Amino acid sequence: AAGVIQSPRHLIKEKRETATLKCYPIPRHDTVYWYQQGPGQDPQFLISFYEKMQSDKGSIPDRFSAQQFSDYHSELNMSSLELGDSALYFCASSLGLDLFSGANVLTFGAGSRLTVL
Amino acid sequence: SQQGEEDPQALSIQEGENATMNCSYKTSINNLQWYRQNSGRGLVHLILIRSNEREKHSGRLRVTLDTSKKSSSLLITASRAADTASYFCATAGNFGNEKLTFGTGTRLTIIP
Repeated sequence: AAGVIQSPRHLIKEKRETATLKCYPIPRHDTVYWYQQGPGQDPQFLISFYEKMQSDKGSIPDRFSAQQFSDYHSELNMSSLELGDSALYFCASSLGLDLFSGANVLTFGAGSRLTVL
Repeated sequence: SQQGEEDPQALSIQEGENATMNCSYKTSINNLQWYRQNSGRGLVHLILIRSNEREKHSGRLRVTLDTSKKSSSLLITASRAADTASYFCATAGNFGNEKLTFGTGTRLTIIP
């Protein structure tokens, strides 16, 4: 079965550079989420999109922006990179509330590891 | 502040033993989910329990939920080396596609 695809898997950037991460959700999933996970930390919610519109916003720095395109893939753009931006960035997708469980279960991609030097 | 706090933060046990991890949360929830993360990899959904349920089983996994104490526990029975991973609880509110809020995670190491 198709999973959530993230690219690139690894990315090395210098301070003050720009990085773009891409996410391809599971087909027919209508919601995409971005999470940031620092070393030894829990995943922190950044932003989500439902049907290509921003649906929720978390602790996303102003230097970061994201969008979801007409083909439902999403991109996270990070500018003026700082050392503290080094982290794993996860994208997840979901179909919303499952009719059986009544819950929203997220399927995560393998993540993109960003290292800022 | 974190929605979910996990206890313990690290746990090492012998293969074959049972592992119990606890999670506490702060706000009202619609459901609570447990995810597993192998080192540096993505999170994998393990089990979900709804707010009106008290206990749920799935294979070697047993999860309990106490909404009065705002806490949950995950029990892995007959642990295996492959269970070595970090385990996170995640909570969600009542909206359809609401984000999940993760706890701090328990790092479980199974010693062969």
